[in-house]
Amino acid sequence: AQSVTQPDIHITVSEGASLELRCNYSYGATPYLFWYVQSPGQGLQLLLKYFSGDTLVQGIKGFEAEFKRSQSSFNLRKPSVHWSDAAEYFCAVGAGAAGNKLTFGGGTRVLVKP
Amino acid sequence: DAGVIQSPRHEVTEMGQEVTLRCKPISGHNSLFWYRQTMMRGLELLIYFNNNVPIDDSGMPEDRFSAKMPNASFSTLKIQPSEPRDSAVYFCASNNRAGGLYEQYFGPGTRLTVT
Repeated sequence: AQSVTQPDIHITVSEGASLELRCNYSYGATPYLFWYVQSPGQGLQLLLKYFSGDTLVQGIKGFEAEFKRSQSSFNLRKPSVHWSDAAEYFCAVGAGAAGNKLTFGGGTRVLVKP
Repeated sequence: DAGVIQSPRHEVTEMGQEVTLRCKPISGHNSLFWYRQTMMRGLELLIYFNNNVPIDDSGMPEDRFSAKMPNASFSTLKIQPSEPRDSAVYFCASNNRAGGLYEQYFGPGTRLTVT
């Protein structure tokens, strides 16, 4: 069975500083990988996804993620954080047909200091 | 498009009562998913449908939970009888694998409180 670990429960970052959120997955085959963001009281919004090809993936809101098969990682980065990036971020791995069966990590809550 | 629509947005009920959550997927999407989010267990997939047929219900916690998808534009998740431990946010999501849309689009969720 697949699993996802997000080691950092909370991260506090200053506005304008860089951000990196860690994600490690366990899955026997080539994974479908996703990063979602959830603002308070809201549903989940897709930031970016990886299925194959270029291991550096660009997403919305200036985010990017790098797939590293050797490390079973899919870390999310943003060069300069804005106050509006304060939210909870979820990494997910998709299994089954076209990666439809998603398993989510526990999430990382990002706080942005002014 | 209006996105995934869920109703009600909030539900407060007493233990033992029947609860029905509703979801309207994005038009043209052929897969629908029900998730539950709690502090203790995080986000869990309960069940998903493809072309209105349940494909995987291994995440449904127990027989008190049931889900149906009578047509391509509507699904329900029912809890009968409800218990306090069912309190959670329930999300519905949809996508269209055949159309290459592997990412799932989530609704705003229904916050269920069982007292």
